[in-house]
Amino acid sequence: AQKVTQAQTEISVVEKEDVTLDCVYETRDTTYYLFWYKQPPSGELVFLIRRNSFDEQNEISGRYSWNFQKSTSSFNFTITASQVVDSAVYFCALTSGIIQGAQKLVFGQGTRLTINP
Amino acid sequence: DSGVTQTPKHLITATGQRVTLRCSPRSGDLSVYWYQQSLDQGLQFLIQYYNGEERAKGNILERFSAQQFPDLHSELNLSSLELGDSALYFCASSAVAGGPAGELFFGEGSRLTVL
Repeated sequence: AQKVTQAQTEISVVEKEDVTLDCVYETRDTTYYLFWYKQPPSGELVFLIRRNSFDEQNEISGRYSWNFQKSTSSFNFTITASQVVDSAVYFCALTSGIIQGAQKLVFGQGTRLTINP
Repeated sequence: DSGVTQTPKHLITATGQRVTLRCSPRSGDLSVYWYQQSLDQGLQFLIQYYNGEERAKGNILERFSAQQFPDLHSELNLSSLELGDSALYFCASSAVAGGPAGELFFGEGSRLTVL
């Protein structure tokens, strides 16, 4: 069975602080994909990043960076110099065993991030 | 704007009733997915359609059904509604038919309240 655990239910920091959101996953498949999605107060889910299991390179996109470590089954997300607009619920997700285009995303419970001015 | 349109945005109904949620995918996307987001269950995959055919099934109740029409829009039918069905229902679409997992584009959701 696949599982995604986001142990941090809520995080609150002051603007400009760096913050890391943790994600630990479980899967028996050797090929899988990890995702991060953002859900702002308006409610929609916004795609942030996709990473496949064969690519352990860290990725940086502006103030966002992701650290993928297969050895610890983790895919952590760091926001540098946080801003109030980063306040949202962030979801880590996993999909694997893709057959003929069938794709089921398994989501973690989400981390509610609040950036205080 | 993801390009995925869901209607209605809000819906309030009573237990035992039936509702239909509608989703129009992004132009050109052949796959449509339905997810349910509730406080106790979190975000859960319900079902996926690809070009009119069911492709994957998750924890979808027997009281729920879905279909994808020739114009690629999809409908999720929820019947014999219970209080616990109150949730935010998301539709997502992607272009991927096979190969690497594709990015899913989510709509804004339909918030269902069952009283």
